[in-house]
Amino acid sequence: DIQMTQSPSSVSASVGDRVTITCQASQDINNYLNWYQQRPGKAPKLLIYDASNLVPEGPSRFSGSGSGTHFTFTISSLQPEDLATYYCQQYDDLPYTFGQGTKLEIK
Amino acid sequence: QVQLVQSGAEVKKPGASVKVSCKASGYSFTSYTMHWVRQAPGHRLEWMGWIDAGNGFTQYSQKFRDKVTITRDTSARTAYMELSSLTSEDTAVYYCAFKGHHYLGFGAFDYWGQGTLITVSS
Repeated sequence: DIQMTQSPSSVSASVGDRVTITCQASQDINNYLNWYQQRPGKAPKLLIYDASNLVPEGPSRFSGSGSGTHFTFTISSLQPEDLATYYCQQYDDLPYTFGQGTKLEIK
Repeated sequence: QVQLVQSGAEVKKPGASVKVSCKASGYSFTSYTMHWVRQAPGHRLEWMGWIDAGNGFTQYSQKFRDKVTITRDTSARTAYMELSSLTSEDTAVYYCAFKGHHYLGFGAFDYWGQGTLITVSS
């Protein structure tokens, strides 16, 4: 199975801060990498697909980049509603696998 | 609008089985593939398997191959995920999800059910 490793596991930041999360795949995943936001008690919500594409309804402060095995997810200006856990997910090969999640807290 | 509505939370004893349903509305059910994802407490999301709602073909993660059976009822527009021989390790929230928009890759899930909590306890 392809292992997905996120860092950090948790981060605390202030409103307006720039936040970056990284995701490392154990092998080349050809940019088949998605990012999800999961608010407490809710289902995951797709934000970024194929490494760098924002879903149409997604706020422009969210972005993704990277290729091969190393990917980043950035919130350019943190908002209070961004309190959530963020997951990367690869779909280059079965089984699809997720990172362990990054819990984002607002200071 | 597209909706996936899952069945309610259940408490089961070890060794029992449970069947979770996922009722779809707002789109052509048989034109898409439904996936199931597990989230155990303190664990990452885990992809379990999928079913082609049109022809019933299934594919499972090797980890869940002896544990899970995914089926669908096209007349009821409902997908099902059955777990057998339950243990405490199966305690988790189970989600159905699918790729609804054409521009997404096969493994991207833009529609999710609300989740079903299965608790296994003696």
